[in-house]
Amino acid sequence: EVQLVESGGGLVQPGGSLRLSCAASGFTFSDHYMDWVRQAPGKGLEWIGRTRNKADHYTTEYAASVKGRFTVSRDNSKNSLFLQMNSLKTEDTAVYYCAKTLRFELHSYIDYWGQGTLVTVSS
Amino acid sequence: DIQMTQSPSSLSASVGDRVAITCRASQGIGIYLAWFQQKPGKAPKSLIYAASSLQSGVPSKFSGSGSGTDFTLTISDLQPEDFATYYCQHYHSYPLTFGGGTKVEIK
Repeated sequence: EVQLVESGGGLVQPGGSLRLSCAASGFTFSDHYMDWVRQAPGKGLEWIGRTRNKADHYTTEYAASVKGRFTVSRDNSKNSLFLQMNSLKTEDTAVYYCAKTLRFELHSYIDYWGQGTLVTVSS
Repeated sequence: DIQMTQSPSSLSASVGDRVAITCRASQGIGIYLAWFQQKPGKAPKSLIYAASSLQSGVPSKFSGSGSGTDFTLTISDLQPEDFATYYCQHYHSYPLTFGGGTKVEIK
């Protein structure tokens, strides 16, 4: 059974940093692209970043809203995904979800989601 | 960036109804479209990928169609557990983007 468990959320001041983790199990972690998606309170879903798999050299992609401030990384030895968030702004307040993807032709889509972790950026 | 526009933003329906939600992409995305269901306070759940393929374990009352720029999610025989918010997302190119969501409420 696929399980994704996020941790590391909490209250942080504007300009601060936070590192989220996602512990994965139930699948061969290194084979899959992994995503981070967030949802501000009362708002819709926003894709924010992706790390590719081993075959594609673990390269990353980001949404413009977080590029240069957030970094997606992974530790395949620990089946873990990370989101390092720097220079946090109040508008980064959201529930952050990690998500597993599956390959279809040359594209990868989300098939499983974690339960999410809340990040609050406030003074 | 590719913009995804869902309509309607909300709808009211009765148990047993059939409803359709549309999702329009600002440029062609082939069939690289997914649909998700989200209930209040819960994580999203994956329903459909490749525009019309059901995720494992998703009941056949959910169906998807379309290609290019216009897509539809249809839910048949609405049941209380289907009342939720539904999102489309393209995965054709970066950045991946979601539609704004459609809230399906009980009439």
